[in-house]
Amino acid sequence: QKEVEQNSGPLSVPEGAIASLNCTYSDRGSQSFFWYRQYSGKSPELIMSIYSNGDKEDGRFTAQLNKASQYVSLLIRDSQPSDSATYLCAVVGPRGGSYIPTFGRGTSLIVHP
Amino acid sequence: GAVVSQHPSRVICKSGTSVKIECRSLDFQATTMFWYRQFPKQSLMLMATSNEGSKATYEQGVEKDKFLINHASLTLSTLTVTSAHPEDSSFYICSARELNEQFFGPGTRLTVL
Repeated sequence: QKEVEQNSGPLSVPEGAIASLNCTYSDRGSQSFFWYRQYSGKSPELIMSIYSNGDKEDGRFTAQLNKASQYVSLLIRDSQPSDSATYLCAVVGPRGGSYIPTFGRGTSLIVHP
Repeated sequence: GAVVSQHPSRVICKSGTSVKIECRSLDFQATTMFWYRQFPKQSLMLMATSNEGSKATYEQGVEKDKFLINHASLTLSTLTVTSAHPEDSSFYICSARELNEQFFGPGTRLTVL
């Protein structure tokens, strides 16, 4: 059974700090990795995608992928109170020929002023 | 990113009635759409994968006769909750895949009285 594990948190960081969110996955055949942000009462919003080992930066966000360790992380620099949300890790790999994403339960991030 | 819409955003109905939720990809064609359900403070639960022109694939434990899915065109998938009961009250979210990325609609909050 494919699993995506995230610490549920909450992760609390002060404004301006770096928030580090982690995710591990069980399926070595996984090929695509995504981070979504979900505000309370809203649907998830795609913020980062990463497909190869290493780092990928987009503004204040950096996704890091290590396939050997089956680990993907999201760093948020200069965290703002508006970053307070639940962050979902999603992993995609072939399942019966159809690429079905598997989501983690999410990590709640609280950025306090 | 790609835009996915859902209608209605909120619906309140009496027990025993049927409710139809529409999911549209506005600026791209989606051969595959996904339907999720999310209860308060819980993770996303994949209900089914909707494929254009063919029958939907339901996840284990999801009643296909209760949750009818139709994906008649490349831009529209519908979910009909038949004979809704209070335990069906939830946040229903669709998503559509464009290339490797998955984009979510804003969700439909269903309340069954």
